Amino acid sequence: EPEVTQTPSHQVTQMGQEVILRCVPISNHLYFYWYRQILGQKVEFLVSFYNNEISEKSEIFDDQFSVERPDGSNFTLKIRSTKLEDSAMYFCASKKLDPGYTFGSGTRLTVV
Amino acid sequence: GEDVEQSLFLSVREGDSSVINCTYTDSSSTYLYWYKQEPGAGLQLLTYIFSNMDMKQDQRLTVLLNKKDKHLSLRIADTQTGDSAIYFCAETSSGYSTLTFGKGTMLLVSP
Repeated sequence: EPEVTQTPSHQVTQMGQEVILRCVPISNHLYFYWYRQILGQKVEFLVSFYNNEISEKSEIFDDQFSVERPDGSNFTLKIRSTKLEDSAMYFCASKKLDPGYTFGSGTRLTVV
Repeated sequence: GEDVEQSLFLSVREGDSSVINCTYTDSSSTYLYWYKQEPGAGLQLLTYIFSNMDMKQDQRLTVLLNKKDKHLSLRIADTQTGDSAIYFCAETSSGYSTLTFGKGTMLLVSP
């Protein structure tokens, strides 16, 4: 069964450093998303991406965050200057036309 | 804003049925989902239901939707120890917009 692939599975970074989280969505999917889950809290929406542009973003997704689909297969989330509170599990998701969203296994980001 | 609430913990014995409940506030919810998260793993889509349905069955899973009360439940028949996980309820107002998740219900199945 096709899956959404995320790398790395765990990333440790120093506060203030830039990180790039990578995702390979399912190949024929059209809509792409990033969500995050801070330990013990709800899964929160960050951003959605369709037709090579951001279609919706949450208040969390400020100027420190950006997304890109550089080559038609990868979908990346960049955090420019990480803060301690960015520590979370980051999930990528994709979907085509039906309602089912497929999530990746997540990248656990630890900012120290 | 929209909110989704779930009880945090459920403990059952192997072989029993489990019922996980969820309430939501968004009247325009169109699709409602159940996701499963095993320790250290991602979110696995179990099933979803369209708001014009009141029941959906898929093998051991039965989803019931009471749209009037904005209540969704997931029944797992013959619960196994492998069903131990966190179960998330989520909703969206369209098939393309963002998902709003509950905090998750931790299901613990004891032998």
